[in-house]
Amino acid sequence: DAGVIQSPRHEVTEMGQEVTLRCKPISGHNSLFWYRQTMMRGLELLIYFNNNVPIDDSGMPEDRFSAKMPNASFSTLKIQPSEPRDSAVYFCASKGDLAEREQFFGPGTRLTVL
Amino acid sequence: GENVEQHPSTLSVQEGDSAVIKCTYSDSASNYFPWYKQELGKRPQLIIDIRSNVGEKKDQRIAVTLNKTAKHFSLHITETQPEDSAVYFCAATDNYGQNFVFGPGTRLSVLP
Repeated sequence: DAGVIQSPRHEVTEMGQEVTLRCKPISGHNSLFWYRQTMMRGLELLIYFNNNVPIDDSGMPEDRFSAKMPNASFSTLKIQPSEPRDSAVYFCASKGDLAEREQFFGPGTRLTVL
Repeated sequence: GENVEQHPSTLSVQEGDSAVIKCTYSDSASNYFPWYKQELGKRPQLIIDIRSNVGEKKDQRIAVTLNKTAKHFSLHITETQPEDSAVYFCAATDNYGQNFVFGPGTRLSVLP
């Protein structure tokens, strides 16, 4: 298995633009997590899905952030409009069934908003 | 909700010495405690974990201890090597391993 796949790996955009981050979880995994990592705030859980259903989105910072999981093999995190303070590394992670605890992280997307 | 604290935030040790990182958690319902290692520019990766029915677990040079009564757990690395230099995150989660709460991280530097 190729592991969790994220795209793009790097994104540079201007303030006000829409940004879409993409994630493909490990095949067979039924939980998917979106994290944001910054020096100031560390690793923050934004939202997670179980069987494609959003379970907890309390970590989503603002209405500018939205996430979807239309099927078991694809998820998006969208920021509209983007702001400089959104600059961070965004990780997607996936996990198997409830008996399995380990989360497998993707390589991350480094987002820079100018 | 769960709150995880981690100390120290930075740690420097000489190669060959031991390193200890400590975490505390607040939710007594948490029963799974993983440790992730993140090398510079890389993704976090699980290095060891412990469940609430176990007090200690060891894997070669790495060990984790858990004190459920005091709600704290620790990572011990013996005979440190330069490749151990990284940021280490502890986390706590519930029985379903869904809502991970990570500590703020410890930057470990192993000096040659």
